[in-house]
Order: sequence, then C-alpha cells, then structure tokens
Amino acid sequence: DTAVSQTPKYLVTQMGNDKSIKCEQNLGHDTMYWYKQDSKKFLKIMFSYNNKELIINETVPNRFSPKSPDKAHLNLHINSLELGDSAVYFCASSQGPLNYEQYFGPGTRLTVT
Amino acid sequence: QKEVEQNSGPLSVPEGAIASLNCTYSDRGSQSFFWYRQYSGKSPELIMFIYSNGDKEDGRFTAQLNKASQYVSLLIRDSQPSDSATYLCAVYGGSNYKLTFGKGTLLTVNP
Repeated sequence: DTAVSQTPKYLVTQMGNDKSIKCEQNLGHDTMYWYKQDSKKFLKIMFSYNNKELIINETVPNRFSPKSPDKAHLNLHINSLELGDSAVYFCASSQGPLNYEQYFGPGTRLTVT
Repeated sequence: QKEVEQNSGPLSVPEGAIASLNCTYSDRGSQSFFWYRQYSGKSPELIMFIYSNGDKEDGRFTAQLNKASQYVSLLIRDSQPSDSATYLCAVYGGSNYKLTFGKGTLLTVNP
C-alpha cells in the first residue's frame, strides 16, 4: 500500500490557469507538508499542517493556497500559474511536527507553458 | 539565515569502496539530522536519522554527528552501483518546525 500518494503525477498547463494537486497519507500521521523542488534540485518547504492547523507558511506567493480537509489529506491549489511555478511538488508527512522523520510522496511534476 | 551546506559533487567512488558524504549546518540549536537518498526522477527516501553526538550504524550506512563542530556525515561501506543517487542532508532546527535541506551531493559508484 502506498504510504503517501499524490495526484496527478504530471501536470502540464498554460500560464494563467488554476490547478490543484492532491495528497493523501495512510500512515496515521498528524503532520503534512508541501515542498517545492526546483530545476536545481533544491528542496524547500512551502507549507505544513498539523492536525488540520497551518503551522508553517513560508514566503510563497499568495497564489498558492493549501487546504487540509482532514489530517490525512493536504491539497495545494495554485491560481494564475506562472512559468516560474514549473517544478516538482512533493507532499510529505510525519508523525508529529517536532523532530519526526518525514516521508515523501512520489511528487507532482508541474510544467507551465 | 539557517543553512545546510553540502558539497554538490559529483562524488565518484569505485564499487566496494567507502563513500563519505559531508554536511555542515549553521544553527547551533539544531536537534535532529536526517539523510535522504533521491534517485533521479524519484522522491527523497529517508535512509538515516541521528539525534545524538557520535555514530549510528544501520547496515552499510553509518551516520556521524558532531554538534560542537556542527557537522554531520554519512558513510556508505561497500558501495554498490545501486547507491548512485543524490544524498540530501536535512536538519531540524527545533524552534520553527522546519526541516532545512542541503542542496545534495551526487554520488556515482562505478562498477
């Protein structure tokens, strides 16, 4: 069984469109994350939710809006997509927000044309 | 600015050799240290974590932590071609719930 899953795996869209990426974990973890990995492979935290509460909100454009309907799901909605949003977006989860090991989903490769 | 520094490599070792991957961090309050392996086109996979000074061994992998020197390393013994990947060092700072990643070291193990 997949522990952390993401859909879609690939997303190709045009500038100005709005898109969503979904993430689900079946590990029973309380904390979930969104990371962005750019073309230089640098992995950077964007958001984190602990038990549906936002606990990390990095300096990202407000076109990016996370939503956690329950602690097993964390979605990422992106408005007015730009070329610079092209990257791989990873969802991750951990048992809790402090010190715990994080487990990553397979990633969503977003290409904005 | 809390930073995690790694040599980007590539680090090339022959099969069977010991690969040594190094990482330094700037935040003295850092509490937990993680090594992730990322194959090309795949997601990061947790392979080791260490919380206390000293060595921690798991199979062919040994993580070493020296908090006084703000240094963490990963040794891979008997390196195999399947170990060829990018290795990401990640450091948990404690005060802000954030895991900060280094830019990774590309390891190539030559048969």
